[in-house]
Amino acid sequence: SQQGEEDPQALSIQEGENATMNCSYKTSINNLQWYRQNSGRGLVHLILIRSNEREKHSGRLRVTLDTSKKSSSLLITASRAADTASYFCATDTGRETSGSRLTFGEGTQLTVNP
Amino acid sequence: DAGVIQSPRHEVTEMGQEVTLRCKPISGHDYLFWYRQTMMRGLELLIYFNNNVPIDDSGMPEDRFSAKMPNASFSTLKIQPSEPRDSAVYFCASSLGPWGTEAFFGQGTRLTVV
Repeated sequence: SQQGEEDPQALSIQEGENATMNCSYKTSINNLQWYRQNSGRGLVHLILIRSNEREKHSGRLRVTLDTSKKSSSLLITASRAADTASYFCATDTGRETSGSRLTFGEGTQLTVNP
Repeated sequence: DAGVIQSPRHEVTEMGQEVTLRCKPISGHDYLFWYRQTMMRGLELLIYFNNNVPIDDSGMPEDRFSAKMPNASFSTLKIQPSEPRDSAVYFCASSLGPWGTEAFFGQGTRLTVV
């Protein structure tokens, strides 16, 4: 079963608007990561937030993490048509001795209309 | 570095045939992951290796699936015999490790079993 669940499943916005995607998970995590997947391509890492962090920024991306609610959000500001892709959250439940063990959610399909 | 390299990109085979998917991780990465992506089940972790040793193969669906990593620069995922329900995109990913690092994905192998 999927550890993370993204919400919404699909999001359509106009260029220049902000896009917010949410992720909820069930078990304790070491960190949470967000990935992007363009159609027919592999996943590309966007940002990692550790369990002791609450917010992180990278360019137009802002990620928040609330471990008490077991949820995270990804905000893309000033969206562009090129941001059109599927976005996945991945929870890392690995251990220091065994390495990362990423479990992916079902993804949010973002469409940015020009 | 060319990134994670998977071959073939596309594979069409008949039910009952043996299929071998190949992966070359990024040089120096100690962890290698095999994922399967379908519309119905999303991204599923099949197996992962640390320093060529399988750590967790609990995601391997059946005995028909096997994975090997004979050296640090090569891994295979074999399905024998293949079935139509094995049709999916299979991704290989590698990471530097230990836990808490991003995973780098290959472009995937789209497998169709007819």
